[in-house]
Amino acid sequence: DVKVTQSSRYLVKRTGEKVFLECVQDMDHENMFWYRQDPGLGLRLIYFSYDVKMKEKGDIPEGYSVSREKKERFSLILESASTNQTSMYLCASSLSDRGTEAFFGQGTRLTVV
Amino acid sequence: KNQVEQSPQSLIILEGKNCTLQCNYTVSPFSNLRWYKQDTGRGPVSLTIMTFSENTKSNGRYTATLDADTKQSSLHITASQLSDSASYICVVSGDDYKLSFGAGTTVTVRA
Repeated sequence: DVKVTQSSRYLVKRTGEKVFLECVQDMDHENMFWYRQDPGLGLRLIYFSYDVKMKEKGDIPEGYSVSREKKERFSLILESASTNQTSMYLCASSLSDRGTEAFFGQGTRLTVV
Repeated sequence: KNQVEQSPQSLIILEGKNCTLQCNYTVSPFSNLRWYKQDTGRGPVSLTIMTFSENTKSNGRYTATLDADTKQSSLHITASQLSDSASYICVVSGDDYKLSFGAGTTVTVRA
């Protein structure tokens, strides 16, 4: 089974802190994604990576950055956390073929106070 | 802009009853459509996938339909169980890496 693991289920951070969310997948997938999920809005793409050291902005990249130094690991960085970044963050991975299934991690519920 | 609209936003059904969830999309070109189930506090898990040429697909008590001409899909849950309580998300793939997500339908099954 494909496994996508996010480092934390729950996080509470203070405004202005630098926050790292880690994601690891074990199926040698080329594509990795970071989404945030808010009630009534569905999943929104923050960043996407299709290869090591490659990244593309999604629909809502402001306030975030990413790092992909190894194929299996994709990190989301909140440079200076703000309260409007309180959300559920979901990492996903997939093969490079277009339209293939995305496999999701269990999510990280981040609260910024 | 590609959009995926789901209805209803939420519904409550009694255990053993059936229900149908709707998904309308404007994604073009179209590659495939998936229904995902997301349990509370968990990541989404794929239930079914349908391509342009398929108009029905079953996975146990879940049956998805697709009308590519009208760009509509439905997910039918038969003989609901308490474990069906979850959010169901319609996800449409175009010809690139991007996925278009609906906001989801929250299903609550009551005993």
